[in-house]
Amino acid sequence: GENVEQHPSTLSVQEGDSAVIKCTYSDSASNYFPWYKQELGKGPQLIIDIRSNVGEKKDQRIAVTLNKTAKHFSLHITETQPEDSAVYFCAASKHSGGGADGLTFGKGTHLIIQP
Amino acid sequence: EAQVTQNPRYLITVTGKKLTVTCSQNMNHEYMSWYRQDPGLGLRQIYYSMNVEVTDKGDVPEGYKVSRKEKRNFPLILESPSPNQTSLYFCATRSGSRVTGELFFGEGSRLTVL
Repeated sequence: GENVEQHPSTLSVQEGDSAVIKCTYSDSASNYFPWYKQELGKGPQLIIDIRSNVGEKKDQRIAVTLNKTAKHFSLHITETQPEDSAVYFCAASKHSGGGADGLTFGKGTHLIIQP
Repeated sequence: EAQVTQNPRYLITVTGKKLTVTCSQNMNHEYMSWYRQDPGLGLRQIYYSMNVEVTDKGDVPEGYKVSRKEKRNFPLILESPSPNQTSLYFCATRSGSRVTGELFFGEGSRLTVL
């Protein structure tokens, strides 16, 4: 089955700096890679996703890059703000396209924005 | 407002006392799922349901049961809870059967089994 490794487990950056969280996956058939943000006391919420036919996707201050050959993908947050403090989860689909199963999540990264 | 509602949000119970965590969604989504979140282990899927009367095991189903008698409800049942089921539980829904769709999570249910 799919295995998703996520690093680092904790990341502390100064407000205004950039943050990068990295994930690797094992199943070369995976083709969908979402990122979820979990604020304190809440459920995870999708912030951006990428599919394997695209190498990069941006949405304002956040971007995700995908390297299919190396089987890794990364979340980039620029100009970090206090409200970016949260736990971030990467994930990969176990099956390509439709299927009965869900996602395999990484273990999460606790991002701390220092004022 | 689109919502995934879990109850209870917090529960402390004792070993062996049956309990049910309810999940209800108002988005008319076919797919519903339960996850547990543990420190250092991330989110792991317990059970999922593609539609009414269709359920299947996720990665960590031992000690849990589910049912899907109505589209909007997907309760998680712990017949005989044990301390290793102490965890933060999330219900999630998704429109359609394809995995490439946004999961909508509830706010979580923190369960402690003594």
